[in-house]
Amino acid sequence: RKEVEQDPGPFNVPEGATVAFNCTYSNSASQSFFWYRQDCRKEPKLLMSVYSSGNEDGRFTAQLNRASQYISLLIRDSKLSDSATYLCAVSTGNQFYFGTGTSLTVIP
Amino acid sequence: SAVISQKPSRDICQRGTSLTIQCQVDSQVTMMFWYRQQPGQSLTLIATANQGSEATYESGFVIDKFPISRPNLTFSTLTVSNMSPEDSSIYLCSVRGPLGYEQYFGPGTRLTVT
Repeated sequence: RKEVEQDPGPFNVPEGATVAFNCTYSNSASQSFFWYRQDCRKEPKLLMSVYSSGNEDGRFTAQLNRASQYISLLIRDSKLSDSATYLCAVSTGNQFYFGTGTSLTVIP
Repeated sequence: SAVISQKPSRDICQRGTSLTIQCQVDSQVTMMFWYRQQPGQSLTLIATANQGSEATYESGFVIDKFPISRPNLTFSTLTVSNMSPEDSSIYLCSVRGPLGYEQYFGPGTRLTVT
C-alpha cells in the first residue's frame, strides 16, 4: 500500500470556481503534513503546512483529518495562475512521502 | 528558506556514461536529500547525504549506481553511473527548512539518457 495516495486528476475548472483536492495517508503515526505546488518543468515549492486545527492562507484552506487519515486543500476563486500540479506530502519520523500530484488547469 | 542551486540544469547523456550533479546550499545544513522524479511520477527519495558519514540509501537504490559525496555542510554531489534510458528523470536535491520538518528543493537537473 502506498504511503500517500492522491487523485491525479486532471481537474479543469473555470476561473472563479472552488476546487478541492484530497490526499490519504496510510501511517497513523505521521506527524507533519504539507501541500506543495509544482509548475511545469519546475521544482516543487512549499505552498502551506497543514495543521490539525486547519489553516487558511488567502484563497487557500488546508485541513487535516487524523481520524480518517486524509488532508485536503481547498482553493477558492480560482485564478489562471493557480494552474499547476499540487502534491501532498506527509512526514513520518525522518521520512518524507509525496503523493503523485493532482493536476489543476484553470480555464478562462 | 534556504537558497539551493544545482548544476547542471539539464543534460543529454549517452548510455553507459556517468553524470555528476552538484547541489549547493547558501547555509549550513545537517542533512541533504536527493530525489528522483520520473515523468508523470511523484518524488522518490534516493538517499540522504550526511556530512562526515556514508549516505543512507533507500530501498531500490545502491551506492554503486548513485554514489554521493558530502564534503561539507553546504555541498553535495550525486553521480548517476553507467546510465541507461531508464535513468532519464529529474534529479532534485533538497534540505529541511528552518523549522526542521518542511523541505525545500533545488531547481532540479533534467537528465535525458539516449
